[in-house]
Amino acid sequence: DAEITQSPRHKITETGRQVTLACHQTWNHNNMFWYRQDLGHGLRLIHYSYGVHDTNKGEVSDGYSVSRSNTEDLPLTLESAASSQTSVYFCASSESGQGAGELFFGEGSRLTVL
Amino acid sequence: AQSVTQPDIHITVSEGASLELRCNYSYGATPYLFWYVQSPGQGLQLLLKYFSGDTLVQGIKGFEAEFKRSQSSFNLRKPSVHWSDAAEYFCAVGGSGTYKYIFGTGTRLKVLA
Repeated sequence: DAEITQSPRHKITETGRQVTLACHQTWNHNNMFWYRQDLGHGLRLIHYSYGVHDTNKGEVSDGYSVSRSNTEDLPLTLESAASSQTSVYFCASSESGQGAGELFFGEGSRLTVL
Repeated sequence: AQSVTQPDIHITVSEGASLELRCNYSYGATPYLFWYVQSPGQGLQLLLKYFSGDTLVQGIKGFEAEFKRSQSSFNLRKPSVHWSDAAEYFCAVGGSGTYKYIFGTGTRLKVLA
């Protein structure tokens, strides 16, 4: 079965360190997204990609970067982790088509920045 | 501005009771509307979606939602709640010209035995 996997599921790091969260999907979807989930804010879009070598900023992109070198992977990098980036991060993917379609989510990566 | 409002942060219902979760949206184009459910420690799973046509849509797990354009609402309903329905529910809106969504802040459902 196709799936979307995130790693690590849990990570604790220190302020100022670089952190990379991996996302791998086997749906062969062109569209991939990174969200963060915080209490009272729901899900907020960090970065997204509509295909290989395409990346775009979402509403909360400061301090984050992504790269898309193939269809399957969209790693999220925190260049210099800050305590404000403590959150649960979700990767998602969707098919290209007539517009917003069903999102398929990973199980999330819980990041704690001390 | 485009937005999704879920006015109820927490809702508690007894098992077997009916449920309605509210969702209001503001969107400049024809909306595509979604409800997702998130069980503890899990990612989100699609319950149902509305793109066009019949304004009452059926989803998985016995859920349904009704699109009311005049009220900019897309409320989620279930006639009889089961203990396993305890979870967080998110309403979201997208459109035909984008693959992006706007999510609401979620409603956490507690089910009493």
